[in-house]
Amino acid sequence: AQTVTQSQPEMSVQEAETVTLSCTYDTSESNYYLFWYKQPPSRQMILVIRQEAYKQQNATENRFSVNFQKAAKSFSLKISDSQLGDTAMYFCAFIGLLTGNQFYFGTGTSLTVIP
Amino acid sequence: DTGVSQNPRHKITKRGQNVTFRCDPISEHNRLYWYRQTLGQGPEFLTYFQNEAQLEKSRLLSDRFSAERPKGSFSTLEIQRTEQGDSAMYLCASSSRDRGREKLFFGSGTQLSVL
Repeated sequence: AQTVTQSQPEMSVQEAETVTLSCTYDTSESNYYLFWYKQPPSRQMILVIRQEAYKQQNATENRFSVNFQKAAKSFSLKISDSQLGDTAMYFCAFIGLLTGNQFYFGTGTSLTVIP
Repeated sequence: DTGVSQNPRHKITKRGQNVTFRCDPISEHNRLYWYRQTLGQGPEFLTYFQNEAQLEKSRLLSDRFSAERPKGSFSTLEIQRTEQGDSAMYLCASSSRDRGREKLFFGSGTQLSVL
């Protein structure tokens, strides 16, 4: 069974600072995708960044980057130059390519950016 | 707008009534998912369609829940004899595993309140 664990229920960061959200997962598959989704108070789930497991290079999208450690099954999200609009719930998600009939989500990290 | 569309956005019903939600996925996406999310939790998988075939159902999906995707286009999720525990946000999402570019796109959700 696949599991996704986010051990930080809440985090805060000063505006313009950098914050890292943690995620670990468990799977027996070797090919899979990992994602970070953002859910602001509007509750619309928005894709932030995606990582293919077969790629060693960490994905980046503007101020968002990941630290993907496949052996450790760790997938953290770094937000640089935090902005007030980054305040949201952040969910880590996984889908396996072999048995991938569902995306597995963590329980989320509530991030507050403090002005 | 070519995103995932869900209707209605909000539904208030009395316990014991039936409700039906609709999801229109992104047109070229052949995979459609229903998730349920309660406040402060991550999305929980309910069911998955590939085209018109319902390929997987969660144990969370009791006999009171039924989902359809006729002709592989829009999908409906019906809850019969609603209970207060059914109150949640019901999220629909779609994806296309095209050339390894799996991404899950979410609708805005239907917030169900059972009184």
